[in-house]
Amino acid sequence: SAVISQKPSRDICQRGTSLTIQCQVDSQVTMMFWYRQQPGQSLTLIATANQGSEATYESGFVIDKFPISRPNLTFSTLTVSNMSPEDSSIYLCSVEADSSTDTQYFGPGTRLTVL
Amino acid sequence: AQTVTQSQPEMSVQEAETVTLSCTYDTSESDYYLFWYKQPPSRQMILVIRQEAYKQQNATENRFSVNFQKAAKSFSLKISDSQLGDAAMYFCALYASGSRLTFGEGTQLTVNP
Repeated sequence: SAVISQKPSRDICQRGTSLTIQCQVDSQVTMMFWYRQQPGQSLTLIATANQGSEATYESGFVIDKFPISRPNLTFSTLTVSNMSPEDSSIYLCSVEADSSTDTQYFGPGTRLTVL
Repeated sequence: AQTVTQSQPEMSVQEAETVTLSCTYDTSESDYYLFWYKQPPSRQMILVIRQEAYKQQNATENRFSVNFQKAAKSFSLKISDSQLGDAAMYFCALYASGSRLTFGEGTQLTVNP
């Protein structure tokens, strides 16, 4: 497995502002992912964070709204831009620590509330 | 496309009893993995158990075991000797090579003392 931390753990933001969420893992991993979990719902993949290249976004998510950085194999950031109340969610990063089993391990999540 | 369905939005169990959570899935791939994750109120997603599709033997992790029926595309989770700390939202998930990890809608488990 892997030890994953996220900052901040929670935040309350005003509409129209942006928030950057950090994800740090204790070992080098190839695959890092960002998910959104809207209230009372399941997880939806936002994008795969690729080291050294642009992130790969899922349908319905765009780089202008959710820019992602992946400067090295242990760190990634997700920015939620120009926020609206609909962006209030839990944002989770995950890593594939064991490529032979395709198993993802998750960070503790960031609870975002947009007023 | 792959889908995961959890038909039980809520389940409850008495402490020390056994409960089974249901999950069905659909994929056209022959090589895939199935997972159960637990999400307590702390919101951390915790891996409970993993099953490789090519393995016929059902996975077991202490009090947690699965009933994997490949032909029926069914993957249920059995929790034995339920404890108060087992109370959480449980998500079934499927990963097929070259695709994304797909989650079901979750089952909220309550453990009654």
